[in-house]
Amino acid sequence: DAKTTQPNSMESNEEEPVHLPCNHSTISGTDYIHWYRQLPSQGPEYVIHGLTSNVNNRMASLAIAEDRKSSTLILHRATLRDAAVYYCICGLQGGSEKLVFGKGTKLTVNP
Amino acid sequence: EAGVAQSPRYKIIEKRQSVAFWCNPISGHATLYWYQQILGQGPKLLIQFQNNGVVDDSQLPKDRFSAERLKGVDSTLKIQPAKLEDSAVYLCASSRPRGSHEQYFGPGTRLTVT
Repeated sequence: DAKTTQPNSMESNEEEPVHLPCNHSTISGTDYIHWYRQLPSQGPEYVIHGLTSNVNNRMASLAIAEDRKSSTLILHRATLRDAAVYYCICGLQGGSEKLVFGKGTKLTVNP
Repeated sequence: EAGVAQSPRYKIIEKRQSVAFWCNPISGHATLYWYQQILGQGPKLLIQFQNNGVVDDSQLPKDRFSAERLKGVDSTLKIQPAKLEDSAVYLCASSRPRGSHEQYFGPGTRLTVT
């Protein structure tokens, strides 16, 4: 599994965009990039995943660097409910594989 | 669809006692996972089932932990005897058959060993 590096914590203001970075310099060509988040006192929830191209869904956008050694999760307008720990996970080939979590980035959203 | 169900939500036991956790995955999900999350860390996989067969249990402390998934649906995770360092949240997750990138997690069981 590719090792990922994320900042321990980040802060944002409500209704502003948030860019959460992740470095994964040892990623292999077939590894997907996944993002999960964990709200307080809840289990993790899937946010988004991608392989090479940028991806958008109703929750967020995923921007993947051309060399795939880094990626950025973008929350377009942060809300208080987005306060959570965000995990960047690489190394999955696609489906039914274990997730290897790091410590993630704790996002604080200020009102 | 109903989410992953877990019970109990909280459990307090003394060291050397035994405890069991129950998980009911989303209907039709063939793959089931048990993760352990110690305070301040990300979840760590303990065991993964595909239907009722074990796919990965390399990080399960087999001298004290056991898990089963009867009939490929519900699963139980047992600890016997418990140690202080087993205090953690135990998370169950499930996913569709191969090809799905999304795992669905339950709310977890918070275990405190005193």
